[in-house]
Formats: sequence, C-alpha cells, structure tokens
Amino acid sequence: AQKITQTQPGMFVQEKEAVTLDCTYDTSDQSYGLFWYKQPSSGEMIFLIYQGSYDEQNATEGRYSLNFQKARKSANLVISASQLGDSAMYFCAMREAFYGGSQGNLIFGKGTKLSVKP
Amino acid sequence: DSGVTQTPKHLITATGQRVTLRCSPRSGDLSVYWYQQSLDQGLQFLIQYYNGEERAKGNILERFSAQQFPDLHSELNLSSLELGDSALYFCASSVDLAGIDEQFFGPGTRLTVL
Repeated sequence: AQKITQTQPGMFVQEKEAVTLDCTYDTSDQSYGLFWYKQPSSGEMIFLIYQGSYDEQNATEGRYSLNFQKARKSANLVISASQLGDSAMYFCAMREAFYGGSQGNLIFGKGTKLSVKP
Repeated sequence: DSGVTQTPKHLITATGQRVTLRCSPRSGDLSVYWYQQSLDQGLQFLIQYYNGEERAKGNILERFSAQQFPDLHSELNLSSLELGDSALYFCASSVDLAGIDEQFFGPGTRLTVL
C-alpha cells in the first residue's frame, strides 16, 4: 500500500499568493516524522520543514508551514507569498521509528511540480 | 549546503561497466542512506549503513553493493550497468540509527548509462 500520497502532479500559483500542497500518509506507528523537501531543476534535495508525530503545534519555517492533521493523516505544506524561485518539485516524505519495524529510511511521495507565475 | 558531499556530480558510462559513487556524511552523523531517483520509480531507498555496519536494505539490486568505512564515508558500487540504471543517486545522513529526525541529502550523482 502506498504510504505517502501526493494527489497533485502539478500546480500553478501566482507570484505573491499562498499555495497549499497536499500530502496524506498511512502508518500504524505512533512515532513518526513527516518531512517536505524541495527539488529545483538543478536536482538537489533541499530540506524544508519537519513535523514529529508528537508535536502539538504545526511546524513553521519562514514562509513554509505544515498543516498537520493527525486524525486525517494529512501533512499539507503551505507556502505563503510565493516567489518565482519556489518553482520546483516538492516531495512529502515520512520516516517511521525503527523500533516499530521500520527500516528508518524515508518513504517519499511522487511529488508535486509547483510553477509560480509572474 | 547540507554538509553532505557526493562525488562525482556527473558520471557517464557504458552498459556492462562498473562505477563507484562516494559519499561523505555530515560531521557527527553515523547513519548513511542511499536513495535512487529515476523517472519511472521515483525516489527509492536502497541501503543504510550505521557506524560501518549494514543495517537495512531496500530495493537494491544484487548488482549493487555498498560499504561504509571507518572514517564513515560510504561508497555505492554499481556493476554490470544497464540502461535502466541511469538515475540520480543520493546519499543522505542522519545522526541517529532509529529515530525520526531529518535526513540531510547530498547534491546527488547523476549517472547516465549509454
């Protein structure tokens, strides 16, 4: 079963507007981490934001925030005030705790390609 | 800059050949993960090492092998290369073995098999 689902293959947003990238996950573990990575056309994977399953507050990092809804198993990324440099692929990922039987590696979704229009 | 280094950045080779990709983790990180990113398979976990020992295997082909050396750098060896092995190979590191903290990615090695 797919553990990370990103249902938006591509999205467009106008510069300076906010955009939400969807991510749902599937796990039976109580302890896990959720991550968003940005991959520009140059190829590197840039860590954006992290949410632990026990964190009660939604994570924020500058213009990035993670809308964590544990009961719905969703971890949407919100980018405020989009910039042209935000155009990239965005990957949602999960890491389950090793003691729960996980291998500890990241499990990635298929990604969302975000294009910011001037 | 994540602090994880990978060499080479680009590699072009022919089918049937063998190549070695190198990764140096962030200072203090004991865990090294290798991932493969291809157009058809997306981002897939290959193998993990922790403090010199293999700890977990993902979708790694038998033609591929890896090791982590005492100085904690890691090498991924790909042999009998096929066209389908063309991909971006990432190394990532983290300080822990079994936690849920973030992994930091290197810039990747883009392998092209002709």
